[in-house]
Amino acid sequence: AQSVTQPDIHITVSEGASLELRCNYSYGATPYLFWYVQSPGQGLQLLLKYFSGDTLVQGIKGFEAEFKRSQSSFNLRKPSVHWSDAAEYFCAVYTGNQFYFGTGTSLTVIP
Amino acid sequence: DSGVTQTPKHLITATGQRVTLRCSPRSGDLSVYWYQQSLDQGLQFLIQYYNGEERAKGNILERFSAQQFPDLHSELNLSSLELGDSALYFCASSVPAGEQFFGPGTRLTVL
Repeated sequence: AQSVTQPDIHITVSEGASLELRCNYSYGATPYLFWYVQSPGQGLQLLLKYFSGDTLVQGIKGFEAEFKRSQSSFNLRKPSVHWSDAAEYFCAVYTGNQFYFGTGTSLTVIP
Repeated sequence: DSGVTQTPKHLITATGQRVTLRCSPRSGDLSVYWYQQSLDQGLQFLIQYYNGEERAKGNILERFSAQQFPDLHSELNLSSLELGDSALYFCASSVPAGEQFFGPGTRLTVL
């Protein structure tokens, strides 16, 4: 069965530090992969997506993600976190007929 | 602004009642998805419609139903409401195999 795993429920980083949020998926073929961000009380906003081609994809707000087929992973990274990045982050997979979302990682940024 | 609109923004009702949530997708998007987000369950996929037809079903209760109309707007009907149905309900739209664009959500409170 298809699934998406975000192993970190909550992460705390200092402002200016680097960030990596983990995402692993379970799917037989290469899926379409997405990262979304949700600020409190808001809807989800797309950060970036991977469909094919270059496995390192750039997104909005300085985020990037790398697709690693051998590890079935699509980790999200940012070299220097800003206080405004505090939010909930969701990894998602599209398998051709349905989207699957991870349970989310809550990011806290401390000054 | 994602281009997806949802009404109402907030809804407070009593147990046993029935409510209807409305979603207007982005112009040109044929697919509409409904999600439920609660603190204990996370983001749960409920149902997807494509051009008026049901395409995929997730964890949608029998008390819940949805439809997509010829003008592509969609409604989610929740009946015999229980306290546990209190949640944020999101609608999203997309083009085929494209990323989803989320609406701002409807916060349902069942008292």
